[in-house]
Amino acid sequence: QSALTQPASVSGSPGQSITISCTGTSSDVGSYNLVSWYQQHPGKAPKLMIYEGSKRPSGVSNRFSGSKSGNTASLTISGLQAEDEADYYCSSYVGSNTWVFGGGTKLTVL
Amino acid sequence: EVQLVESGGGLVQPGGSLRLSCAASGFTFSSYWMHWVRQAPGKGLVWVSRIDSVGKSTSYADSVKGRFTISRENAKNTLFLQMNSLRAEDTAVYYCARYLWKEVAFDIWGQGTMVTVSS
Repeated sequence: QSALTQPASVSGSPGQSITISCTGTSSDVGSYNLVSWYQQHPGKAPKLMIYEGSKRPSGVSNRFSGSKSGNTASLTISGLQAEDEADYYCSSYVGSNTWVFGGGTKLTVL
Repeated sequence: EVQLVESGGGLVQPGGSLRLSCAASGFTFSSYWMHWVRQAPGKGLVWVSRIDSVGKSTSYADSVKGRFTISRENAKNTLFLQMNSLRAEDTAVYYCARYLWKEVAFDIWGQGTMVTVSS
């Protein structure tokens, strides 16, 4: 049950695009197109942003998009806004009725 | 309004026990799998445990297996986490989360309850 690997931090200026990677193995991210992404502002509960790798729940801005290549999933945020500054976590089902999260990425909007 | 509200957190000595509750409202609780996820201070999210919709199938992270027990009472729309033999490393905010089985995602989260294990 090792955590998925995410960069500790990323940054971008308002209006720019950034991508956060989430690397697993052929047993988790690579086996299932089931990665989800969560946004967490300080002191708040996580919020679902992307599920099944690339689908957005109702109400989530289309500036958020997800993709996957091999054992790495990615979250892209386009048209960065100040309100996007938060921590972002990926998550994947890893078999045997267990799940795992990534270590989290702190997004700074410069 | 769909809502999850955790309670039961607090300060407990190492080796002690605590029972967390998660009250659900605004949706048909008995139709959903539920999970517990924790977050140590300043750290990331860590999956803890899962229970199916009827309470017959459960699973745990290795770090809590044998010490924590997840359960639910569908008649009262409540999820529980019984935590025994607590250790300092169990100190965290504990969130309950609703799970969408087909979408494989945690779509609704509670506000969390803080558990501190310290002497």
